[in-house]
Amino acid sequence: AQSVAQPEDQVNVAEGNPLTVKCTYSVSGNPYLFWYVQYPNRGLQFLLKYITGDNLVKGSYGFEAEFNKSQTSFHLKKPSALVSDSALYFCAVSYGNNRLAFGKGNQVVVIP
Amino acid sequence: GAGVSQSPSNKVTEKGKDVELRCDPISGHTALYWYRQSLGQGLEFLIYFQGNSAPDKSGLPSDRFSAERTGGSVSTLTIQRTQQEDSAVYLCASSSGVTSTDTQYFGPGTRLTVL
Repeated sequence: AQSVAQPEDQVNVAEGNPLTVKCTYSVSGNPYLFWYVQYPNRGLQFLLKYITGDNLVKGSYGFEAEFNKSQTSFHLKKPSALVSDSALYFCAVSYGNNRLAFGKGNQVVVIP
Repeated sequence: GAGVSQSPSNKVTEKGKDVELRCDPISGHTALYWYRQSLGQGLEFLIYFQGNSAPDKSGLPSDRFSAERTGGSVSTLTIQRTQQEDSAVYLCASSSGVTSTDTQYFGPGTRLTVL
């Protein structure tokens, strides 16, 4: 079965420091991977996706993600975190009929 | 342009009542998805529409759950005889295509509370 894992529950980072949110995947076939962000009482907002090609994917709000096939990872990164980046982040993999299987989510807290 | 909209934003109901949740996808999007977000189960897939047909209903948790889509646009998720374990946020998403590479865009969700 296709699945993703987000090993950390919460990520704390000081404002201005680099932010990394980890995701590993387990898929059969080509991995199609997504990152979404959820602010309180809001739906999911699309950040970026990896389909094929360049392993470094750039997305919205200054976020990027690095696809690593040998480590089966797709970590989300931002060079300099903002307090407004505090939110819940979900990694997901697309499979069969474009269903998304989500990780449990990571709460990111950016400390001023 | 307008994004995915859902109504109501909040719904409180009594155990045993039926509820209907509505989703308006992005105009022109052929695919529509329903997910459920709950503390215990995280985000889980419920059902998928391609046009007005639902080729994949595998995620519906019981026969109390049903959904339909009309005119290739609006979708309604119906929960009959609601139970307390149905309390969750129900999210709708749409995409322009139906391949695994198409991005799904989500609505704000409907928070359902069953008393």
